[in-house]
Amino acid sequence: QKEVEQDPGPLSVPEGAIVSLNCTYSNSAFQYFMWYRQYSRKGPELLMYTYSSGNKEDGRFTAQVDKSSKYISLFIRDSQPSDSATYLCAMSGNTGGFKTIFGAGTRLFVKA
Amino acid sequence: EADIYQTPRYLVIGTGKKITLECSQTMGHDKMYWYQQDPGMELHLIHYSYGVNSTEKGDLSSESTVSRIRTEHFPLTLESARPSHTSQYLCASTTRKGSGNEQFFGPGTRLTVL
Repeated sequence: QKEVEQDPGPLSVPEGAIVSLNCTYSNSAFQYFMWYRQYSRKGPELLMYTYSSGNKEDGRFTAQVDKSSKYISLFIRDSQPSDSATYLCAMSGNTGGFKTIFGAGTRLFVKA
Repeated sequence: EADIYQTPRYLVIGTGKKITLECSQTMGHDKMYWYQQDPGMELHLIHYSYGVNSTEKGDLSSESTVSRIRTEHFPLTLESARPSHTSQYLCASTTRKGSGNEQFFGPGTRLTVL
């Protein structure tokens, strides 16, 4: 079983929709949770970073962490065609030297 | 935008060739990483370094080698490329010590071995 599970999609939504992206994980030692956005033929770029449980908001993006359920989410409000990309969840903690474990990524298409 | 660079961006070579993928960062970061990424798959860590003269193998078995002679430079070498090495290679760096690993990625090198 993978340590981090992420639905690969693709997920196709109309412009302006609210998008929900999710990951589940199995290792309770994870403490740091990240979302990366990767455009085609580019490297991933850090979008959101959260420590432990709770919510974090940055503009149109909200990251949620529920450690009791081992479940993290990224919400995108008022989605735009420029949000079309692959979104990777990632997490690390006091295990294996704080190595970061990545999900496989969800491909998102926002249609104009 | 992160100041981490990779060259070449694209490389097509024949089987048996020796290649070096370059990675440089100008942020003074201590930790650097090499990942392999295939379509629809997770990033797999193949090498990492916590500083000059420090290199470790990652979780994914790899026939490549790395060196870290300077803080800013972390090249990856394949002594004899094979078609199974065809993939995207991503270099990353971070300055955090033993914490969340907010990694900054380069643009990647897409390698095709014929």
